[in-house]
Amino acid sequence: DTAVSQTPKYLVTQMGNDKSIKCEQNLGHDTMYWYKQDSKKFLKIMFSYNNKELIINETVPNRFSPKSPDKAHLNLHINSLELGDSAVYFCASRGDGGGTGELFFGEGSRLTVL
Amino acid sequence: EDQVTQSPEALRLQEGESSSLNCSYTVSGLRGLFWYRQDPGKGPEFLFTLYSAGEEKEKERLKATLTKKESFLHITAPKPEDSATYLCAVTSGSARQLTFGSGTQLTVLP
Repeated sequence: DTAVSQTPKYLVTQMGNDKSIKCEQNLGHDTMYWYKQDSKKFLKIMFSYNNKELIINETVPNRFSPKSPDKAHLNLHINSLELGDSAVYFCASRGDGGGTGELFFGEGSRLTVL
Repeated sequence: EDQVTQSPEALRLQEGESSSLNCSYTVSGLRGLFWYRQDPGKGPEFLFTLYSAGEEKEKERLKATLTKKESFLHITAPKPEDSATYLCAVTSGSARQLTFGSGTQLTVLP
């Protein structure tokens, strides 16, 4: 059983299109995140939800919209894709008992915008 | 703004050749320093948390240490399966979310 699962693993699309990435965790965690990893391997936080409520929203274009239908799911929708959106997007979760930085990550969704 | 710098960017070792990876940080009030391992095509996997200078944590061939300005990940007698990118991250009083470094890509040759 995969603890944090993301779909799809790969997306290839044209500029201007809209795409979504889904994430589910079966760990019973209250907090979920979206991170972006660029070509230089830096991981940067985009959003954080705690029990379906948005708690962190970093400086991310409003073309990116997260949605959390319940505390086990956090989806990411991206409108009007641009070349610079190409990256690997990681979903992660954290339980209340864990330290602030002890996250469980999914395997990532590699987005390529042509 | 919190900053994390890792060195070297890449490290190639022979099997059994011990070495250390460095993570330097600049934060306003460190809350925690975290080490992760990332295999190609996978998400980061949590390894260690360090909270205060002088603290050490060990797991198999890995040992993480912390000073007031940096952390080291010591790898003793590495094996090829230790090959991965090792990421360092911090949380601070001013930024409770993780700030990551760019990682050290470790290759252990048989």
